[in-house]
Amino acid sequence: EAQVTQNPRYLITVTGKKLTVTCSQNMNHEYMSWYRQDPGLGLRQIYYSMNVEVTDKGDVPEGYKVSRKEKRNFPLILESPSPNQTSLYFCASSLAGAQYNEQFFGPGTRLTVL
Amino acid sequence: GDSVTQMEGPVTLSEEAFLTINCTYTATGYPSLFWYVQYPGEGLQLLLKATKADDKGSNKGFEATYRKETTSFHLEKGSVQVSDSAVYFCALSWGQTGANNLFFGTGTRLTVIP
Repeated sequence: EAQVTQNPRYLITVTGKKLTVTCSQNMNHEYMSWYRQDPGLGLRQIYYSMNVEVTDKGDVPEGYKVSRKEKRNFPLILESPSPNQTSLYFCASSLAGAQYNEQFFGPGTRLTVL
Repeated sequence: GDSVTQMEGPVTLSEEAFLTINCTYTATGYPSLFWYVQYPGEGLQLLLKATKADDKGSNKGFEATYRKETTSFHLEKGSVQVSDSAVYFCALSWGQTGANNLFFGTGTRLTVIP
């Protein structure tokens, strides 16, 4: 089954404790992206990647890192989480090269930073 | 910059009522337009899209027409069902950097009551 998986689905942590949220897709997509969803703000893009070893900032990259060492994986790293990073996070993937390509979303990771 | 303005929610309708969710956009160039739907506890999934002016996207009884003159992409359904209860996001992608980055509206929560 074609899908985007994220782990963990739920995470409660404390300020300053480094964490990684994994994202993996099995559709051989070049493009991958991370979004955060907050009430009243919709989804905002954090980082995206056009292909292996190619990453770029989205609209809200501060406090986050990403890497793209393999085509299927695109982990999101919070080196020193803070309470304002409490949010619902979504990973997405798509074929690259055309602005009308559908993005496929993972189920989401709900992060709480105390 | 690019932006999407979406009708504020929440929206509550009775089953078989007519639905309209307004969406307008601001973009340089010629974006592709999308409606994504988020069912409770799930990630987003594409509902429909339109890639050029006057295109009509349709799926599952939902329709939206790309109106360049009014920069709008309103979502409509003639007769909603309880199973349509979800959050609906309007989004655009311009691909100005070669990436199909999505810009989302804030989302509209729809509840359909029997």
